[in-house]
Amino acid sequence: SQTIHQWPATLVQPVGSPLSLECTVEGTSNPNLYWYRQAAGRGLQLLFYSVGIGQISSEVPQNLSASRPQDRQFILSSKKLLLSDSGFYLCAWRIGFNQPQHFGDGTRLSIL
Amino acid sequence: AQKITQTQPGMFVQEKEAVTLDCTYDTSDPSYGLFWYKQPSSGEMIFLIYQGSYDQQNATEGRYSLNFQKARKSANLVISASQLGDSAMYFCAMSPSYGQNFVFGPGTRLSVLP
Repeated sequence: SQTIHQWPATLVQPVGSPLSLECTVEGTSNPNLYWYRQAAGRGLQLLFYSVGIGQISSEVPQNLSASRPQDRQFILSSKKLLLSDSGFYLCAWRIGFNQPQHFGDGTRLSIL
Repeated sequence: AQKITQTQPGMFVQEKEAVTLDCTYDTSDPSYGLFWYKQPSSGEMIFLIYQGSYDQQNATEGRYSLNFQKARKSANLVISASQLGDSAMYFCAMSPSYGQNFVFGPGTRLSVLP
């Protein structure tokens, strides 16, 4: 069966520091991969999605970037974090069209 | 552009009663999918039910059913026989049938009362 791993579960970073969040999927090939951010008590904002290795679509301009170095690996990065980058970050995968997304457990990021 | 509206920020329901969570959407795509997710306080997103825009029948999954009214662009979630464990945030989402982007609504917080 397919599983998705996302880490770390929680992260506290100072303003201006770099960021790297990693997500990996097991048990499937060529998944579509997604990064979302969720502010407290709010809905999900799609940040990036990828349909294949090296293919990244950005939905919202920001100081974050994403990379997909391997088929089942999706990385969210920043060179210098802002206070506004705080939130709950979720990675998701899906296969094909008209299929649900399946989510990781998320990373709670706090910027100090 | 796609948009999801959930007009109920919070809902209360008595245990064992049914509850309807509203979702309206806007899209120019001729074919699309509609999804509902549950997010407990722990944060994980749990897929509940899917409805395709060309499906003739309303989707059902156990205690969950989707009241799909295409002409009105609504896709309301009905939970029958509410349980205390149903207390959570509920999100409606949509995706075009031949695209990969997803749009989520702002969510509805459901509280089930004993």
